Amino acid sequence: AQSVTQLGSHVSVSEGALVLLRCNYSSSVPPYLFWYVQYPNQGLQLLLKYTTGATLVKGINGFEAEFKKSETSFHLTKPSAHMSDAAEYFCAVNVGNEKLTFGTGTRLTIIP
Amino acid sequence: EPEVTQTPSHQVTQMGQEVILRCVPISNHLYFYWYRQILGQKVEFLVSFYNNEISEKSEIFDDQFSVERPDGSNFTLKIRSTKLEDSAMYFCASSPQSSGNTIYFGEGSWLTVV
Repeated sequence: AQSVTQLGSHVSVSEGALVLLRCNYSSSVPPYLFWYVQYPNQGLQLLLKYTTGATLVKGINGFEAEFKKSETSFHLTKPSAHMSDAAEYFCAVNVGNEKLTFGTGTRLTIIP
Repeated sequence: EPEVTQTPSHQVTQMGQEVILRCVPISNHLYFYWYRQILGQKVEFLVSFYNNEISEKSEIFDDQFSVERPDGSNFTLKIRSTKLEDSAMYFCASSPQSSGNTIYFGEGSWLTVV
């Protein structure tokens, strides 16, 4: 069975600083990995995904993530935080079946 | 851009009542899903639906839950006799294919059982 661990339920960074949200997964087969963002009172929006090929994937709003098989990680980064990045971020894994397994989420706060 | 739409956005119901949550998936998608998020907890898979039948369901999706695609556009989740612990945000989602493809989520229906 697959699982996802997101370290840090709350992360605060200053505006303009690096954003790093951590995600580790557990899977017995090659995974497909996703990051979703949830803004207040809104649904889940896909930021980026890794399926095959290049391990560094770029998404919307300047975010990117790198799939590291040896570390079973898929951390999300953005070089310079913006106030509009404040939201909850969810890492998720799919292992060839039809469901996504989500992490518990990380709430990102941007300090002006 | 096409999107998944859900109604109602918020519903309050008394314990024991039946609730139907409605969704219109993206029109050319083939796979449909319901997920739920209890306040403060992770998003959990409930059920997937393909070719007019349930293709996978979780342990949460017991006999009090059912799904239906009554016509070519709607996809519904019925909870037969609601319990307090059913209070959650319910997300409908759809995707063009299974595994590895992007699953597109609606904005959710917030269900409060009192």
